[in-house]
Amino acid sequence: EPEVTQTPSHQVTQMGQEVILRCVPISNHLYFYWYRQILGQKVEFLVSFYNNEISEKSEIFDDQFSVERPDGSNFTLKIRSTKLEDSAMYFCASTWTGTGTSRSRRETQYFGPGTRLLVL
Amino acid sequence: AQSVAQPEDQVNVAEGNPLTVKCTYSVSGNPYLFWYVQYPNRGLQFLLKYITGDNLVKGSYGFEAEFNKSQTSFHLKKPSALVSDSALYFCAVRGDSGAGSYQLTFGKGTKLSVIP
Repeated sequence: EPEVTQTPSHQVTQMGQEVILRCVPISNHLYFYWYRQILGQKVEFLVSFYNNEISEKSEIFDDQFSVERPDGSNFTLKIRSTKLEDSAMYFCASTWTGTGTSRSRRETQYFGPGTRLLVL
Repeated sequence: AQSVAQPEDQVNVAEGNPLTVKCTYSVSGNPYLFWYVQYPNRGLQFLLKYITGDNLVKGSYGFEAEFNKSQTSFHLKKPSALVSDSALYFCAVRGDSGAGSYQLTFGKGTKLSVIP
């Protein structure tokens, strides 16, 4: 079964550095998401992306964050100047939401394995 | 605003016994409800969902969940627990609020420990 993949699995960076987290969503999916999970806390929505633009974003997703779909397969999250509090597990997810398949299948967000980001 | 409550931080159950992991929700409109499982150092794996239709939903690995609209609950159940079911379980919700809003709101998670 197709899966969402993410690279790298782990990243350590210095405070103030830029990081780019990469995701390859499931190939026929149309909606893409980033979530994060700070250690020991709940999974939080960051941003959703559809048709090459942000469709919604949370308060967490401030000006230091950006997303991009640079080609037909990758979906990236960039953090321009990392802070200590950005340390978290970052999950990419995708869903189909198109027509021509069951509504039930369209609604499921499939998550990647995550990138653990540690900011020192 | 939508929210999810998982009232138990941890649930302990003996292997072979039935298990229940509780979830209640608040959302505008009709709820779309999901359960995900997270094993140590792994991502979120989809277990099951309720979109519409039958209130009892069956999912992966023998899990099921019952949607109760009057109690705004979506408890996860399994008739006979396995040690391998030990993991962190997340309930998530979103509303059918129209075009564009697909973000999921997650509960804080419940750690399930199945004791041999």
